[in-house]
Amino acid sequence: GAVVSQHPSRVICKSGTSVKIECRSLDFQATTMFWYRQFPKQSLMLMATSNEGSKATYEQGVEKDKFLINHASLTLSTLTVTSAHPEDSSFYICSARPVSLNSPLHFGNGTRLTVT
Amino acid sequence: AQKVTQAQTEISVVEKEDVTLDCVYETRDTTYYLFWYKQPPSGELVFLIRRNSFDEQNEISGRYSWNFQKSTSSFNFTITASQVVDSAVYFCALSEAAAGGSYIPTFGRGTSLIVHP
Repeated sequence: GAVVSQHPSRVICKSGTSVKIECRSLDFQATTMFWYRQFPKQSLMLMATSNEGSKATYEQGVEKDKFLINHASLTLSTLTVTSAHPEDSSFYICSARPVSLNSPLHFGNGTRLTVT
Repeated sequence: AQKVTQAQTEISVVEKEDVTLDCVYETRDTTYYLFWYKQPPSGELVFLIRRNSFDEQNEISGRYSWNFQKSTSSFNFTITASQVVDSAVYFCALSEAAAGGSYIPTFGRGTSLIVHP
């Protein structure tokens, strides 16, 4: 149980284009999903908390207009990197938590974004 | 504020050796949760264990064991008889009730474990 699917696993795009990453909870409903970013050999940094039916909550220093988050249903959250630049190249990983607030997070397989 | 310190950046062992990954945390909360996650080269994060602050009982799961000591604010992870498949980055994480009780975890920097055949 508690499977989180993230798509695509890898994407290469050109500077200036936008990329959408999907995160789905396959066997549970998630009112809250989390988006993390991981630089090579670094820890996971929380970017934003995605709340179903409402606006996402962004961490300090994360540009909400660049990283658009939509949580349209209890099983789907999307992250769109708008007008991508090479410095946006990174590993993005989403996570979701089953109903209980203190349940552990379950993570998707991550998306390796390369902006050329 | 919360902080998780994994002082060991990289550990290299030979197969069948035992290895302990250290995790030290800081929190002012009395109620919190500690986690360990494994990130193999493929990139996904695999949940290994969760421990709440009121349960200091050590846990063993196969070759894995965890030692939680509140007195030293540590939650160390030991792999017994390591195998090549254990090679991965291991993250320790801490979550506490932030505003709204969201329990969003903060991760340490990770320890890269390399097990040589």
